[in-house]
Amino acid sequence: GIQVEQSPPDLILQEGANSTLRCNFSDSVNNLQWFHQNPWGQLINLFYIPSGTKQNGRLSATTVATERYSLLYISSSQTTDSGVYFCAVDSGTYKYIFGTGTRLKVLA
Amino acid sequence: NAGVTQTPKFQVLKTGQSMTLQCAQDMNHEYMSWYRQDPGMGLRLIHYSVGAGITDQGEVPNGYNVSRSTTEDFPLRLLSAAPSQTSVYFCASSYLSEQYFGPGTRLTVT
Repeated sequence: GIQVEQSPPDLILQEGANSTLRCNFSDSVNNLQWFHQNPWGQLINLFYIPSGTKQNGRLSATTVATERYSLLYISSSQTTDSGVYFCAVDSGTYKYIFGTGTRLKVLA
Repeated sequence: NAGVTQTPKFQVLKTGQSMTLQCAQDMNHEYMSWYRQDPGMGLRLIHYSVGAGITDQGEVPNGYNVSRSTTEDFPLRLLSAAPSQTSVYFCASSYLSEQYFGPGTRLTVT
């Protein structure tokens, strides 16, 4: 099956800093999503992005499907951005595979 | 519009007991799924359904049963709970492959 690797595993930032999170996948995918799991455990949709680039406020994402990776950019980070960021991919079989996540801590 | 709801929020079971985790969605989504999340890990797919009457296994189906009699509901059954099933369980529903998650059920099996 598809393997999903996320990097870095852990990230500590000062408030206001920018960051890039990466998701590599081992095979072609039909669907790709980025999620934020907040400190209370809630999973929040960030982007549905099987290809191309999207932006939503301070967050943006780019997926280069031909090179099998996706990037999540966080600009001007805030303490509320803390949590775990997951990438999840699906090859069209409805069986989403999650990466192990990037744990982000933003310091005030 | 409540989205995806899950009950209960917390549950403690003894080894060998059975229970059903409830999941409901009011968005008329055809696709629904169940995941488990263990500490420090990503989510792993247990079972999924592409519509009423249709279910299939995910990555970690052993020890769990599902059924889908309506579009709205997708319950997950543990027939004989084991300590290895201690986890947080998430239900999701999808529209055009974009998944929306419920708040989760934290299950402890002693």
